[in-house]
Amino acid sequence: EAEVAQSPRYKITEKSQAVAFWCDPISGHATLYWYRQILGQGPELLVQFQDESVVDDSQLPKDRFSAERLKGVDSTLKIQPAELGDSAMYLCASSLADKGYGYTFGSGTRLTVV
Amino acid sequence: SQQGEEDPQALSIQEGENATMNCSYKTSINNLQWYRQNSGRGLVHLILIRSNEREKHSGRLRVTLDTSKKSSSLLITASRAADTASYFCATDTDKLIFGTGTRLQVFP
Repeated sequence: EAEVAQSPRYKITEKSQAVAFWCDPISGHATLYWYRQILGQGPELLVQFQDESVVDDSQLPKDRFSAERLKGVDSTLKIQPAELGDSAMYLCASSLADKGYGYTFGSGTRLTVV
Repeated sequence: SQQGEEDPQALSIQEGENATMNCSYKTSINNLQWYRQNSGRGLVHLILIRSNEREKHSGRLRVTLDTSKKSSSLLITASRAADTASYFCATDTDKLIFGTGTRLQVFP
């Protein structure tokens, strides 16, 4: 069964450092999402891509977060500088562009900022 | 921001019992989806119900949707210890917004 690949699985970084996460969606899935999930809460949408274009980044803290999907395939989410409050699980998901299909999530990157 | 509120926040039952989780939301939707998440893992899509559907079944899962009340429920019948996980509803408008989740514990 096709999977969404994410790396790294775990990341520990010091505050004020830069950190990056990578996501490779399922082949053929035009829509890609990055979510942040704080422990004990539901996932919060950070950014949504349709192919290489950003559809929604209204919840992305743009002073420190950036996301790109240059060729409309894999994607990178970056945080610079990292803050203690950024400690969370970062989840990537992809879906077919057509509505009516569920999203497929990767296993996530657990970020700890110390 | 989170559109959905789930109830209860936590649920503990014995194997063989049924588990019911409820979700309320605020705006009109294209569809509503339910996901499962094991501790420390990604989310797994369980079932999707469109806004013009009222009930849907998948194996031991039964989902209902009442758009007039802006609410949905997920029923897991004959629960198993392996069903222990967090369950989230998510509303699909132009984007997928998740609820706060229900933590289900099934005791053997």
